[in-house]
Amino acid sequence: EAGVVQSPRYKIIEKKQPVAFWCNPISGHNTLYWYRQNLGQGPELLIRYENEEAVDDSQLPKDRFSAERLKGVDSTLKIQPAELGDSAVYLCASSLVGQGTTQYFGPGTRLLVL
Amino acid sequence: GIQVEQSPPDLILQEGANSTLRCNFSDSVNNLQWFHQNPWGQLINLFYIPSGTKQNGRLSATTVATERYSLLYISSSQTTDSGVYFCAVERRRTGFQKLVFGTGTRLLVSP
Repeated sequence: EAGVVQSPRYKIIEKKQPVAFWCNPISGHNTLYWYRQNLGQGPELLIRYENEEAVDDSQLPKDRFSAERLKGVDSTLKIQPAELGDSAVYLCASSLVGQGTTQYFGPGTRLLVL
Repeated sequence: GIQVEQSPPDLILQEGANSTLRCNFSDSVNNLQWFHQNPWGQLINLFYIPSGTKQNGRLSATTVATERYSLLYISSSQTTDSGVYFCAVERRRTGFQKLVFGTGTRLLVSP
């Protein structure tokens, strides 16, 4: 069974440019998560989807970040415009249902904003 | 929110040695996971263990939910065990509770 797939694996952009990350969860997993991991820290949740509905986006900086999960399967996270402080690893995870179940993580996208 | 503390922050071992990593949390939980983040950044599930004891090969974990801690045991360590080990918990409350990660234990196993 394929795991969580993310692309691209690496991205280098200049500040003020837009960037987008794509995630395809494990087949059959209804819940999808986007996390951000800063250097030397644990991942922090940005947004959680139950099917196509964003049920928790309280940690998402909405002035420049947006996300969508059309058809309740794959998802896209966008930053526009990017700032230097957005440099981090962006991780996607999925689980069968919401709370109390195992989350499986993708390999992440390493973003460097110059 | 819930606090998750891991110890030790850094650990250096000789290949073949055993080790114990600890995770303390400040509230009741209904989800606790141990992850290994390898040097390439991939987070790999080790255990889903909100309570009790589990074993998988050279690794085992115990969570004592009533005392709010979990332990990860690594026996006969190998160089491939190097990386960062994270404990992550969900608080036992009504409504959505996000998975909160500790700051990790950085393990280096030398040959």
